[in-house]
Amino acid sequence: GAVVSQHPSRVICKSGTSVKIECRSLDFQATTMFWYRQFPKQSLMLMATSNEGSKATYEQGVEKDKFLINHASLTLSTLTVTSAHPEDSSFYICSAPTGGATVGTRMNTEAFFGQGTRLTVV
Amino acid sequence: LAKTTQPISMDSYEGQEVNITCSHNNIATNDYITWYQQFPSQGPRFIIQGYKTKVTNEVASLFIPADRKSSTLSLPRVSLSDTAVYYCLVGGSGSARQLTFGSGTQLTVLP
Repeated sequence: GAVVSQHPSRVICKSGTSVKIECRSLDFQATTMFWYRQFPKQSLMLMATSNEGSKATYEQGVEKDKFLINHASLTLSTLTVTSAHPEDSSFYICSAPTGGATVGTRMNTEAFFGQGTRLTVV
Repeated sequence: LAKTTQPISMDSYEGQEVNITCSHNNIATNDYITWYQQFPSQGPRFIIQGYKTKVTNEVASLFIPADRKSSTLSLPRVSLSDTAVYYCLVGGSGSARQLTFGSGTQLTVLP
């Protein structure tokens, strides 16, 4: 089945440095990917929508200059956390919706998620 | 996007059937209902999706009443490995819909 691969699974970086997280769709093309952040004991919060060939759309309160998103191909989206600080430590997860199957006149879709990246800024 | 309400937590014992109900009173006509499972430090994993009535796959069943304002995920004969957070989501059709996660239900299966 469709798989989304996220790398790295965990990373520790020093405060002030930048970290890049990759999200790949392995056997399907994804014109859109989503980036989420999850703090301990909390639900996933959508950060931004990554659009292939165009600018990402950021949710309210998410700094676009701090969380740089690039979606240069139909199978790869990257999230770069720039000038990371300890408060950026979190679990970052990407997802990509598939085309799914058409049921009647409606599109039946589902999204696949990456394994997540545990970022720790020290 | 329709908001969902689920119990924060549930406990069960191995071998029992577990039913988790989700309320989504303002579900739209084009919305599907999807359930995901998440283990600690992992991305969510798709469990089941439905539009109306009943859907069953190899791991779960999904019951959706006629008014579609709620849904129930049924896990038969749970095991310890089913301990996880379960999320109910509703969203529009289309290949690029974003998913909004509610609080989820922490299911703890006890021996």
